[in-house]
Amino acid sequence: DADVTQTPRNRITKTGKRIMLECSQTKGHDRMYWYRQDPGLGLRLIYYSFDVKDINKGEISDGYSVSRQAQAKFSLSLESAIPNQTALYFCATSDSGTSGRRADTQYFGPGTRLTVL
Amino acid sequence: AQKVTQAQTEISVVEKEDVTLDCVYETRDTTYYLFWYKQPPSGELVFLIRRNSFDEQNEISGRYSWNFQKSTSSFNFTITASQVVDSAVYFCAIGENAGNMLTFGGGTRLMVKP
Repeated sequence: DADVTQTPRNRITKTGKRIMLECSQTKGHDRMYWYRQDPGLGLRLIYYSFDVKDINKGEISDGYSVSRQAQAKFSLSLESAIPNQTALYFCATSDSGTSGRRADTQYFGPGTRLTVL
Repeated sequence: AQKVTQAQTEISVVEKEDVTLDCVYETRDTTYYLFWYKQPPSGELVFLIRRNSFDEQNEISGRYSWNFQKSTSSFNFTITASQVVDSAVYFCAIGENAGNMLTFGGGTRLMVKP
């Protein structure tokens, strides 16, 4: 089984709808992230969470919200989807480790392809 | 703020050719980490390598090698004797010591033709 799973894998929705993307991990990592990928722009960070009580905005958080329900679960919500939120969304995890290392290796889920009509 | 530039948006080679993917970064930190990820046509992101800014030794892993040059702020990736399975989008990224966030380049699409 995959260490980082995302549901759904594909979603088509309409403008104005509320959408939730879910991420679960079995790697035991404390840190989790949401990115979106647009052609030619690489991946851009939406939100990140260093533990259950810690949520931080990333580069492009407007129009998104997140919930860290447990160490292993991190959900991304689009409160009112708009067409320019059509993208590939990735969840990632990393382990801060006992040394408190920074910039740890992030491991990615398979991605969710979201289309907003 | 950090920045990663992958100037080559698309590269096409014939199988068995060597190919180098360029990555140039900008950062104000003295301690940082550099990464390469591979995104095959199936879409997932596969971690390839992580390099600490204090370690400028080149690294080789099979047909893959990485050349880190701090003087030119570059972290280039070479595939020797390319194979069709190497066809993918490759991303370079930087993580600074001030936080655990990665900044990605725009990616280079590599097409290896048989």
